[in-house]
Amino acid sequence: DSGVTQTPKHLITATGQRVTLRCSPRSGDLSVYWYQQSLDQGLQFLIQYYNGEERAKGNILERFSAQQFPDLHSELNLSSLELGDSALYFCASSVVGPYGGGANEQFFGPGTRLTVL
Amino acid sequence: GQQLNQSPQSMFIQEGEDVSMNCTSSSIFNTWLWYKQDPGEGPVLLIALYKAGELTSNGRLTAQFGITRKDSFLNISASIPSDVGIYFCAPAGNNRKLIWGLGTSLAVNP
Repeated sequence: DSGVTQTPKHLITATGQRVTLRCSPRSGDLSVYWYQQSLDQGLQFLIQYYNGEERAKGNILERFSAQQFPDLHSELNLSSLELGDSALYFCASSVVGPYGGGANEQFFGPGTRLTVL
Repeated sequence: GQQLNQSPQSMFIQEGEDVSMNCTSSSIFNTWLWYKQDPGEGPVLLIALYKAGELTSNGRLTAQFGITRKDSFLNISASIPSDVGIYFCAPAGNNRKLIWGLGTSLAVNP
């Protein structure tokens, strides 16, 4: 158990809909990262938050957005869903952001499997 | 952009065999992390390397941070069925952003 929790575990929805994925980082971790992993694909970095502020953006679509709340949990919002958005979405957390000291190690949650029909 | 090559792409071995996989890049990194992902699960950190030339073991796993800082390898000795999964390398440079390899898929025949 990494200490990172994600809900829901599974999500099935229809095209055009909007969903929210939730992540709680490990206790003490200030950074949260979101990744997308499509079938048989590698991990695609979407976005990073550090202590409530956006720190880095990857290949995140404009239809997707995220935020990190004062209690450090994070939500990833996916809107106007398309069939191609079906994937595993992972949240990871680490102690530090890109400008702080310490380790780079990221710890992953169990993921949310999104199926868009 | 930074190029990261992870090889082999997949491996099918017999139980008890040793396994070796590696990642190479044209860029220099300060950190090399190795993760394992079981099907449908989140990646799990196996080994973290922070110094060029560093050789670190975790049970049957051994990883090394290349002396040029452009490569790393992961070895698994005496493989067992639960070693099945996808192994990812993830180096990071000064900006601390992890770069992810495409993974090595390992299958073990009991």
